[in-house]
Amino acid sequence: ETGVTQTPRHLVMGMTNKKSLKCEQHLGHNAMYWYKQSAKKPLELMFVYSLEERVENNSVPSRFSPECPNSSHLFLHLHTLQPEDSALYLCASSQNRGTDTQYFGPGTRLTVL
Amino acid sequence: KNEVEQSPQNLTAQEGEFITINCSYSVGISALHWLQQHPGGGIVSLFMLSSGKKKHGRLIATINIQEKHGSLHITASHPRDSAVYICAVFKAGTASKLTFGTGTRLQVTL
Repeated sequence: ETGVTQTPRHLVMGMTNKKSLKCEQHLGHNAMYWYKQSAKKPLELMFVYSLEERVENNSVPSRFSPECPNSSHLFLHLHTLQPEDSALYLCASSQNRGTDTQYFGPGTRLTVL
Repeated sequence: KNEVEQSPQNLTAQEGEFITINCSYSVGISALHWLQQHPGGGIVSLFMLSSGKKKHGRLIATINIQEKHGSLHITASHPRDSAVYICAVFKAGTASKLTFGTGTRLQVTL
C-alpha cells in the first residue's frame, strides 16, 4: 500500500464514451502525475500538477483532460478515445515537484473498443 | 534509441542466485530511480540515488555518474522477487520529468 489509490482498477469503454479516472493520495504531497504504460513501451509522463496547477503537459492529445481540484485528488477525463489508447494509466505523487521520490498508485487498466 | 537502456530484458534465475540488472543512460541526469512493478501493475519505488551506493535489505543499487551507468543487485534471490524492474532517470534541467527504461522482467524459480 503506497498511499495512492486509483479507481476504477479496470475500465472498458467504447470510442464514443466519456469516462473519468480518479486518483487520491493520502500522503500530504504537493505534486501529482499521470503516466501511461503501453505494452512493450516505457512509461510515458502525461501530466504534472504542482500545488494544483498544471505545470507540464507532455504533448498529450486533447481527448485526455486532467483536473486537479485539490492537492489530494487528480482526475483524468477521457472522451472519444481510440483503441491505441488502451493501456495502464498510473497516477503518482511526490512531496514536491522535482527529484523527490514518486509514489505510484496501482493503475487503471483501460481497454478502448 | 531510448535515452535509458536496460539489460537484460528478461532474466530467469534460481532461488538463491545473485542477480544484476544494468541501466545505461545517454543524457545528463540529476538522479537515477529504481522501481519494481509486480503483475497487476502496481509500482513501488526501491531506490533513488545520485551518487555512490545504497542498500536496503537484499537489494543494492549503485551508480557511476562518469560512465552513465547504474546497477541493481539482488542477493540471495527469492521467488517473491519476481517482478519487472524499471530504471528511470531525472534528466538534468527537467524539474520533474522521469525518463524510463523498458524494464527487466525477472523470474526467480525454486
